[in-house]
Amino acid sequence: DTAVSQTPKYLVTQMGNDKSIKCEQNLGHDTMYWYKQDSKKFLKIMFSYNNKELIINETVPNRFSPKSPDKAHLNLHINSLELGDSAVYFCASSQDFGQQETQYFGPGTRLLVL
Amino acid sequence: RKEVEQDPGPFNVPEGATVAFNCTYSNSASQSFFWYRQDCRKEPKLLMSVYSSGNEDGRFTAQLNRASQYISLLIRDSKLSDSATYLCVVSFGQNFVFGPGTRLSVLP
Repeated sequence: DTAVSQTPKYLVTQMGNDKSIKCEQNLGHDTMYWYKQDSKKFLKIMFSYNNKELIINETVPNRFSPKSPDKAHLNLHINSLELGDSAVYFCASSQDFGQQETQYFGPGTRLLVL
Repeated sequence: RKEVEQDPGPFNVPEGATVAFNCTYSNSASQSFFWYRQDCRKEPKLLMSVYSSGNEDGRFTAQLNRASQYISLLIRDSKLSDSATYLCVVSFGQNFVFGPGTRLSVLP
């Protein structure tokens, strides 16, 4: 059983389009995250979210928005896609918000903007 | 200075070798430390947490030096399957910062 799943696995789209990436976790975790890994392999946190609090990395453009229909899902919406958005996007989850928590990552979504 | 820095690598070592990775962090308020492993085109996975007293898990030993703001990972008797990128992770508050990673190739 996949603990953290993402769809789609690959996404190729044109500049200016709006797209969404879905993430689901079946671990019963309260906290979910989105990360971006660029071509230089730097993994940077974009959002941390649980039912009570959303923490946004201030460097993330407001074209990116997380949407959580329930505790098990955290989708990522991206408006007006730009070339620089091309990267691998990882969803992750942890039991709770906290420094000690282990994060479990999804398999990643490879986004290519043309 | 970057928040988390690691040895640039790549490290190419023969099977059976011992290899050590270093990581330094800039925020003295950091509270928790981890080593994650990422295989090529795969997601990161937790290798081990790093505790103040140092900890060992089989062939892997992690150490933390808070005074020097330094973390290390030692791999003994390296296996071909250890080939991966090793990511140092530091957290403070609710912020997790990943290092750029060090790539390891274990050669037959």
